[in-house]
Amino acid sequence: NAGVMQNPRHLVRRRGQEARLRCSPMKGHSHVYWYRQLPEEGLKFMVYLQKENIIDESGMPKERFSAEFPKEGPSILRIQQVVRGDSAAYFCASSPARDSSYEQYFGPGTRLTVT
Amino acid sequence: AQSVTQLDSQVPVFEEAPVELRCNYSSSVSVYLFWYVQYPNQGLQLLLKYLSGSTLVESINGFEAEFNKSQTSFHLRKPSVHISDTAEYFCAVSETHFNKFYFGSGTKLNVKP
Repeated sequence: NAGVMQNPRHLVRRRGQEARLRCSPMKGHSHVYWYRQLPEEGLKFMVYLQKENIIDESGMPKERFSAEFPKEGPSILRIQQVVRGDSAAYFCASSPARDSSYEQYFGPGTRLTVT
Repeated sequence: AQSVTQLDSQVPVFEEAPVELRCNYSSSVSVYLFWYVQYPNQGLQLLLKYLSGSTLVESINGFEAEFNKSQTSFHLRKPSVHISDTAEYFCAVSETHFNKFYFGSGTKLNVKP
């Protein structure tokens, strides 16, 4: 059973470009979470999604950031018009159901560098 | 809102010595508690968790953590560390009935020979 997969692992974008980060949850998992880790900081919750639904986006910046988890295919975190402050590691996690073991399984992360 | 404090950003220790990584949290409701480990350029791996029951929880590689409700702490301990334990350790809290995790800022454990 493959773990949570994220691609690309490293992404370099110039200021003003768009960044698309992909996350494929573990097989059988229908819940996806995105976290951002700034240098020398812990992970900060961004958004929690189920298939075709955003459940909690309280950690998402109000502008330029969006997330989706379509019926088919991976979850996508999209950052429009990137700025240097968006440089961070973005981690995706998945879980099988909301009220199961409360455990989240993390992917290896995408390291975004904005030049 | 939840907050998780890991006071020690770095902990250097010699191999085979004991270690304690501290974690305190603030919450007005019941919580679930987790410790995750992150090796360089990798994602987070669950080390151990407290959901209910015995306040002392153990991992398969010799780590243990004790939930202390009165002190709102969940410190991680190991009686004898190995070089391979060198990594960053994150404490995390989740309110019961929600799956949103709040993470501490991490503690880098550096085990020296």
